[in-house]
Amino acid sequence: DAGVTQSPTHLIKTRGQQVTLRCSPKSGHDTVSWYQQALGQGPQFIFQYYEEEERQRGNFPDRFSGHQFPNYSSELNVNALLLGDSALYLCASTPGVANYGYTFGSGTRLTVV
Amino acid sequence: AQKVTQAQTEISVVEKEDVTLDCVYETRDTTYYLFWYKQPPSGELVFLIRRNSFDEQNEISGRYSWNFQKSTSSFNFTITASQVVDSAVYFCALSKNAGGTSYGKLTFGQGTILTVHP
Repeated sequence: DAGVTQSPTHLIKTRGQQVTLRCSPKSGHDTVSWYQQALGQGPQFIFQYYEEEERQRGNFPDRFSGHQFPNYSSELNVNALLLGDSALYLCASTPGVANYGYTFGSGTRLTVV
Repeated sequence: AQKVTQAQTEISVVEKEDVTLDCVYETRDTTYYLFWYKQPPSGELVFLIRRNSFDEQNEISGRYSWNFQKSTSSFNFTITASQVVDSAVYFCALSKNAGGTSYGKLTFGQGTILTVHP
């Protein structure tokens, strides 16, 4: 049973560029959340998607946007990259909107140079 | 606003020692969930436990045990007879519980780096 799958694993981008990260949730899960984890810090909530809609958003600028597809997979887009966007981006899925304990992917390590 | 504090940044123990990781939280919600996650070097956060705020019973799972005390807003995690494989970063987290309408945003602490030496 595949868990949460994220791609790519690592990514290097230049300041000002745009990036798209992808996530496939665990089988049977329909809710996807994204978190940003800077080095040495705890993960910070970016936003959550359910039924293809953004349901809740953390304290992140509009440069961060997302999408959920009918098959529940999700994308995270970041525009106008800043050096401070360098982090591990984690995707997490759960069945339904109530929090029964998220399953996390291994993340995408984004480095902005 | 919700806040989780893990005061211990790093803990180092020798194998077979017991170790307790502290977690203190703040929330205005009357019902909420508390979690512990383990993050090995691979980066994936591994779910360890979820505790509902109205269930203050302590829980034991193998070498792991959790002590939830609502009166002190603490949810501490103890590993008995630690092993090298327990070495990882451990995160305590909190989310609102609004029944079926909860969207489950997790607020994490800063994490505690646990190193178990052979």
